[in-house]
Amino acid sequence: GENVEQHPSTLSVQEGDSAVIKCTYSDSASNYFPWYKQELGKRPQLIIDIRSNVGEKKDQRIAVTLNKTAKHFSLHITETQPEDSAVYFCAASLNSGYSTLTFGKGTMLLVSP
Amino acid sequence: SAVISQKPSRDICQRGTSLTIQCQVDSQVTMMFWYRQQPGQSLTLIATANQGSEATYESGFVIDKFPISRPNLTFSTLTVSNMSPEDSSIYLCSVLGLASQETQYFGPGTRLLVL
Repeated sequence: GENVEQHPSTLSVQEGDSAVIKCTYSDSASNYFPWYKQELGKRPQLIIDIRSNVGEKKDQRIAVTLNKTAKHFSLHITETQPEDSAVYFCAASLNSGYSTLTFGKGTMLLVSP
Repeated sequence: SAVISQKPSRDICQRGTSLTIQCQVDSQVTMMFWYRQQPGQSLTLIATANQGSEATYESGFVIDKFPISRPNLTFSTLTVSNMSPEDSSIYLCSVLGLASQETQYFGPGTRLLVL
Protein backbone atom coordinates (compact mmCIF):
# COMPACT_ATOMS: atom_id res chain seq x y z
CA GLY A 1 0.00 0.00 0.00
CA GLU A 2 0.85 3.67 -0.03
CA ASN A 3 3.51 5.01 2.35
CA VAL A 4 3.92 8.73 3.02
CA GLU A 5 7.02 10.14 4.68
CA GLN A 6 6.96 13.69 6.07
CA HIS A 7 9.84 15.93 7.17
CA PRO A 8 10.69 17.65 9.39
CA SER A 9 8.76 16.45 12.43
CA THR A 10 9.17 19.86 14.07
CA LEU A 11 9.93 23.25 12.58
CA SER A 12 10.54 26.50 14.43
CA VAL A 13 10.66 29.80 12.55
CA GLN A 14 10.51 33.48 13.35
CA GLU A 15 7.45 35.46 12.38
CA GLY A 16 7.80 36.66 8.80
CA ASP A 17 10.10 33.82 7.74
CA SER A 18 9.11 31.12 5.27
CA ALA A 19 8.42 27.51 6.22
CA VAL A 20 8.74 24.46 4.00
CA ILE A 21 7.43 20.97 4.79
CA LYS A 22 8.27 18.07 2.51
CA CYS A 23 6.56 14.75 1.85
CA THR A 24 7.38 11.75 -0.28
CA TYR A 25 5.04 9.00 -1.38
CA SER A 26 5.63 5.48 -2.62
CA ASP A 27 2.76 4.66 -4.97
CA SER A 28 3.27 6.30 -8.36
CA ALA A 29 -0.44 5.85 -9.05
CA SER A 30 -1.39 8.31 -6.29
CA ASN A 31 -2.92 11.38 -7.86
CA TYR A 32 -4.37 13.57 -5.11
CA PHE A 33 -2.35 15.28 -2.37
CA PRO A 34 -4.10 17.35 0.32
CA TRP A 35 -2.57 19.23 3.23
CA TYR A 36 -4.36 19.55 6.56
CA LYS A 37 -3.72 21.93 9.45
CA GLN A 38 -4.61 20.78 12.94
CA GLU A 39 -4.60 23.26 15.79
CA LEU A 40 -4.40 21.96 19.33
CA GLY A 41 -7.62 20.26 20.31
CA LYS A 42 -9.25 20.90 16.95
CA ARG A 43 -10.14 18.81 13.93
CA PRO A 44 -7.84 18.64 10.88
CA GLN A 45 -8.76 21.35 8.39
CA LEU A 46 -7.96 21.18 4.69
CA ILE A 47 -5.78 24.13 3.72
CA ILE A 48 -4.73 23.30 0.18
CA ASP A 49 -4.63 20.35 -2.18
CA ILE A 50 -3.06 19.48 -5.51
CA ARG A 51 -3.80 16.94 -8.20
CA SER A 52 -1.24 15.08 -10.23
CA ASN A 53 -1.95 17.00 -13.43
CA VAL A 54 -0.76 20.23 -11.78
CA GLY A 55 2.80 21.11 -10.70
CA GLU A 56 2.08 24.01 -8.37
CA LYS A 57 -0.88 25.64 -6.68
CA LYS A 58 -1.04 28.85 -4.65
CA ASP A 59 -3.53 30.31 -2.23
CA GLN A 60 -2.37 33.60 -0.75
CA ARG A 61 0.58 32.79 1.56
CA ILE A 62 0.35 29.04 1.00
CA ALA A 63 1.65 27.09 -1.96
CA VAL A 64 2.09 23.43 -2.76
CA THR A 65 4.45 21.97 -5.34
CA LEU A 66 4.41 18.46 -6.77
CA ASN A 67 7.19 16.52 -8.49
CA LYS A 68 5.60 13.37 -9.88
CA THR A 69 8.88 11.98 -11.19
CA ALA A 70 10.54 12.16 -7.80
CA LYS A 71 7.26 11.35 -6.00
CA HIS A 72 7.47 14.24 -3.60
CA PHE A 73 5.38 17.28 -2.77
CA SER A 74 5.98 20.25 -0.51
CA LEU A 75 4.03 22.86 1.41
CA HIS A 76 5.40 26.40 1.40
CA ILE A 77 4.15 29.05 3.82
CA THR A 78 5.48 32.57 3.31
CA GLU A 79 5.39 35.49 5.75
CA THR A 80 4.56 33.18 8.62
CA GLN A 81 2.41 34.46 11.47
CA PRO A 82 1.96 33.11 15.02
CA GLU A 83 -1.50 31.84 14.07
CA ASP A 84 0.20 29.51 11.56
CA SER A 85 1.49 27.53 14.55
CA ALA A 86 -0.11 24.08 14.34
CA VAL A 87 0.53 20.51 13.22
CA TYR A 88 0.47 20.07 9.46
CA PHE A 89 -0.28 16.73 7.82
CA CYS A 90 0.31 15.78 4.21
CA ALA A 91 -1.61 12.94 2.63
CA ALA A 92 -1.79 10.99 -0.59
CA SER A 93 -4.69 9.28 -2.27
CA LEU A 94 -5.28 6.91 -5.13
CA ASN A 95 -8.56 8.10 -6.51
CA SER A 96 -10.00 4.92 -7.95
CA GLY A 97 -13.67 5.64 -7.49
CA TYR A 98 -13.34 6.74 -3.90
CA SER A 99 -10.48 8.16 -1.89
CA THR A 100 -8.79 6.68 1.13
CA LEU A 101 -6.08 8.95 2.43
CA THR A 102 -2.69 7.86 3.71
CA PHE A 103 -1.27 10.49 6.06
CA GLY A 104 2.25 11.52 6.87
CA LYS A 105 3.28 11.63 10.52
CA GLY A 106 2.84 15.37 10.77
CA THR A 107 5.01 18.47 11.27
CA MET A 108 4.64 20.69 14.30
CA LEU A 109 5.23 24.25 13.13
CA LEU A 110 5.99 26.86 15.76
CA VAL A 111 6.10 30.51 14.68
CA SER A 112 7.66 32.78 17.26
CA PRO A 113 6.72 36.46 17.39
CA SER B 1 -21.20 24.85 4.36
CA ALA B 2 -22.11 21.40 5.65
CA VAL B 3 -21.86 20.59 9.33
CA ILE B 4 -20.32 17.37 10.63
CA SER B 5 -21.01 16.59 14.26
CA GLN B 6 -19.93 13.81 16.59
CA LYS B 7 -21.35 12.63 19.87
CA PRO B 8 -20.06 12.36 22.51
CA SER B 9 -17.31 14.96 22.27
CA ARG B 10 -15.43 13.20 25.05
CA ASP B 11 -15.87 10.37 27.51
CA ILE B 12 -14.10 8.55 30.28
CA CYS B 13 -14.82 4.83 30.35
CA GLN B 14 -13.90 1.80 32.39
CA ARG B 15 -11.95 -1.03 30.84
CA GLY B 16 -14.08 -3.86 29.53
CA THR B 17 -16.97 -1.62 28.58
CA SER B 18 -18.02 -0.42 25.11
CA LEU B 19 -18.71 3.05 23.73
CA THR B 20 -20.65 3.98 20.62
CA ILE B 21 -19.67 7.18 18.82
CA GLN B 22 -22.08 8.86 16.44
CA CYS B 23 -21.26 10.93 13.35
CA GLN B 24 -23.97 13.04 11.75
CA VAL B 25 -23.73 15.14 8.57
CA ASP B 26 -26.39 17.66 7.63
CA SER B 27 -26.29 16.70 3.95
CA GLN B 28 -25.89 13.44 2.05
CA VAL B 29 -22.32 12.31 1.41
CA THR B 30 -20.77 9.63 -0.73
CA MET B 31 -18.40 8.07 1.77
CA MET B 32 -17.84 8.11 5.51
CA PHE B 33 -14.65 7.03 7.22
CA TRP B 34 -13.48 6.47 10.79
CA TYR B 35 -9.98 7.39 11.95
CA ARG B 36 -8.04 7.01 15.16
CA GLN B 37 -5.54 9.62 16.30
CA GLN B 38 -3.47 8.54 19.28
CA PRO B 39 -1.91 11.30 21.41
CA GLY B 40 0.68 13.23 19.43
CA GLN B 41 0.32 10.92 16.45
CA SER B 42 -0.99 11.04 12.92
CA LEU B 43 -4.36 9.87 11.68
CA THR B 44 -4.85 6.16 11.06
CA LEU B 45 -7.79 4.91 9.03
CA ILE B 46 -9.84 2.32 10.89
CA ALA B 47 -12.47 1.58 8.25
CA THR B 48 -14.69 2.85 5.50
CA ALA B 49 -18.35 2.88 6.54
CA ASN B 50 -20.41 1.51 3.66
CA GLN B 51 -24.06 2.40 3.42
CA GLY B 52 -26.20 -0.70 3.60
CA SER B 53 -23.33 -3.18 3.83
CA GLU B 54 -20.46 -4.22 6.07
CA ALA B 55 -17.66 -1.75 6.65
CA THR B 56 -14.29 -2.19 4.96
CA TYR B 57 -11.58 -2.49 7.61
CA GLU B 58 -7.92 -1.58 7.29
CA SER B 59 -5.16 -3.92 8.30
CA GLY B 60 -4.96 -4.23 12.06
CA PHE B 61 -8.61 -3.38 12.72
CA VAL B 62 -11.40 -5.95 13.03
CA ILE B 63 -15.15 -5.83 13.12
CA ASP B 64 -15.44 -7.50 16.52
CA LYS B 65 -13.43 -4.71 18.13
CA PHE B 66 -14.76 -1.79 16.05
CA PRO B 67 -18.25 -2.56 14.76
CA ILE B 68 -19.52 0.15 12.42
CA SER B 69 -22.94 0.98 11.13
CA ARG B 70 -24.06 3.29 8.34
CA PRO B 71 -27.82 3.07 7.96
CA ASN B 72 -28.13 6.04 5.58
CA LEU B 73 -26.15 8.67 3.68
CA THR B 74 -25.86 11.11 6.60
CA PHE B 75 -25.16 9.00 9.69
CA SER B 76 -22.66 6.45 10.96
CA THR B 77 -21.64 4.93 14.28
CA LEU B 78 -18.39 3.44 15.51
CA THR B 79 -18.36 1.22 18.59
CA VAL B 80 -15.17 0.65 20.52
CA SER B 81 -15.75 -2.72 22.20
CA ASN B 82 -14.25 -4.31 25.30
CA MET B 83 -12.08 -1.26 25.85
CA SER B 84 -8.59 -1.22 27.31
CA PRO B 85 -6.37 1.76 28.19
CA GLU B 86 -4.65 1.31 24.79
CA ASP B 87 -7.90 2.42 23.16
CA SER B 88 -7.53 5.88 24.69
CA SER B 89 -7.42 8.10 21.65
CA ILE B 90 -9.28 10.63 19.56
CA TYR B 91 -11.74 9.05 17.13
CA LEU B 92 -12.69 11.12 14.10
CA CYS B 93 -15.17 10.58 11.36
CA SER B 94 -14.59 12.08 7.96
CA VAL B 95 -16.81 12.44 4.93
CA LEU B 96 -16.28 12.53 1.21
CA GLY B 97 -18.59 14.04 -1.33
CA LEU B 98 -19.43 17.41 0.17
CA ALA B 99 -17.37 19.57 -2.20
CA SER B 100 -15.78 16.92 -4.42
CA GLN B 101 -15.21 13.18 -4.66
CA GLU B 102 -11.63 13.62 -3.48
CA THR B 103 -11.68 15.97 -0.49
CA GLN B 104 -12.31 14.59 2.98
CA TYR B 105 -13.72 16.79 5.73
CA PHE B 106 -13.40 15.82 9.35
CA GLY B 107 -15.77 15.85 12.27
CA PRO B 108 -14.68 17.46 15.55
CA GLY B 109 -13.56 14.16 17.06
CA THR B 110 -14.38 12.18 20.20
CA ARG B 111 -11.77 12.14 22.95
CA LEU B 112 -11.83 8.79 24.72
CA LEU B 113 -10.00 7.99 27.92
CA VAL B 114 -10.12 4.41 29.17
CA LEU B 115 -9.20 3.78 32.79
